[in-house]
Amino acid sequence: DSGVTQTPKHLITATGQRVTLRCSPRSGDLSVYWYQQSLDQGLQFLIQYYNGEERAKGNILERFSAQQFPDLHSELNLSSLELGDSALYFCASSVSGLETQYFGPGTRLLVL
Amino acid sequence: DQQVKQNSPSLSVQEGRISILNCDYTNSMFDYFLWYKKYPAEGPTFLISISSIKDKNEDGRFTVFLNKSAKHLSLHIVPSQPGDSAVYFCAASAGYNFNKFYFGSGTKLNVKP
Repeated sequence: DSGVTQTPKHLITATGQRVTLRCSPRSGDLSVYWYQQSLDQGLQFLIQYYNGEERAKGNILERFSAQQFPDLHSELNLSSLELGDSALYFCASSVSGLETQYFGPGTRLLVL
Repeated sequence: DQQVKQNSPSLSVQEGRISILNCDYTNSMFDYFLWYKKYPAEGPTFLISISSIKDKNEDGRFTVFLNKSAKHLSLHIVPSQPGDSAVYFCAASAGYNFNKFYFGSGTKLNVKP
C-alpha cells in the first residue's frame, strides 16, 4: 500500500459526459501528479500540482483540467469524453517533487 | 513521439536465472532514470534509479546499467523469483527535475517456477 488513494476504482460513462477522478496523496506529500495509461501505452504525464499550485504540464488535453485543494487532495476533471479517453488514470504523490513518486492504484475509466 | 522505448513487451525467464529488461531513450538531455514495477490492479512502485554520473547502481538482486553513449539502460534481476513477475516500466527525466517523467510502455516479466 503506497498510501495514495484514488476513487473511484472503476468508472463507466458515455461519450460526451464529464467525470471527476479524486486522489488523496500520502500524508505529508505536497506534490500530486496525474498520469494516463492507455492500452499498451506507457504512462503519459498529464499535470503536476505542488501545494495547491500548478507546477508542470505534460500532454494534458484542453478538455481535461485538475486542481489541488487546501487539504492537498486533487481532482482530475475530464469533460466531453471520447472513446479514446478510456484508460487507467494514476495519481502519484511525493514530498516536494524532487524525489521518487508514490503511485495510487489507479482509476480505470471506460467510455462507451 | 516516444522518447523512452521498451521494445520487448514481454519476457519469460526460469526461476533462478537472470532477467534482463531493456530500455532505450532518444533525448540526450535525460540524466536521471528509474525503474518501476507494477503488479495487476496496483499502481507502479519505485524499484531502483540511476543518475547519469554513474553507469551502474545495485540494490540487492536488482542492478541497473546505464550506457549513455548508446542511450540505453537495462535492469538485471539475479536470481529471478516468481514474485518478480510483473510489468516493469523504465522512466527518464531531464535535469534533477521530477516534474516530468517520460515512461516506456513496459515489459511484462514472467518468472516460471
